[in-house]
Amino acid sequence: AQSVTQPDIHITVSEGASLELRCNYSYGATPYLFWYVQSPGQGLQLLLKYFSGDTLVQGIKGFEAEFKRSQSSFNLRKPSVHWSDAAEYFCAVSSGEYGNKLVFGAGTILRVKS
Amino acid sequence: ETGVTQSPTHLIKTRGQQVTLRCSSQSGHNTVSWYQQALGQGPQFIFQYYREEENGRGNFPPRFSGLQFPNYSSELNVNALELDDSALYLCASSSGGTGFSGNTIYFGEGSWLTVV
Repeated sequence: AQSVTQPDIHITVSEGASLELRCNYSYGATPYLFWYVQSPGQGLQLLLKYFSGDTLVQGIKGFEAEFKRSQSSFNLRKPSVHWSDAAEYFCAVSSGEYGNKLVFGAGTILRVKS
Repeated sequence: ETGVTQSPTHLIKTRGQQVTLRCSSQSGHNTVSWYQQALGQGPQFIFQYYREEENGRGNFPPRFSGLQFPNYSSELNVNALELDDSALYLCASSSGGTGFSGNTIYFGEGSWLTVV
């Protein structure tokens, strides 16, 4: 069965500092990987996705993620964090079994201090 | 703005009661799914509907059921509510069909259910 681990429950960074959120997945074949962001009172918004090809993917809002098969990781990065990035971030994996079935990690809450 | 709208946004029910949550998919999206997000956890897949039929279910009991209508809108019904059913229920839609297509899955803002 697929699973996703986000080791960090909370992360606090200073505005303007770089950010890396960790994600490890468990799945036998090549997975489809996603990062979503959830702000209070809002639904999940897709930041980026990886299906195949270039292992460094670019997303919206200046985010990028790198797929590392050897480490079963798909970490999210941003070079300079803005206060508006404070939110909860979810990594997710799909096996492709069902169109809309994603397995999510428990999430990482990002706090940005000024 | 994802184009996926859910109602109601908040509701409180008593243990043992039944609840119906509603979702209007983004225009043209034929696949809808429901997720349960308990406090402090990631969303968990409940089930998926395509062409008005359930074609995938997560680890949820039969008292969780759903419907999809010809206009692709959807309902989630939960019978015999338990305290642990208190959660945010998210609806997601895409144009992918039964299998994975790579099309973006759009989520609504959710319905907060509190069971007392």
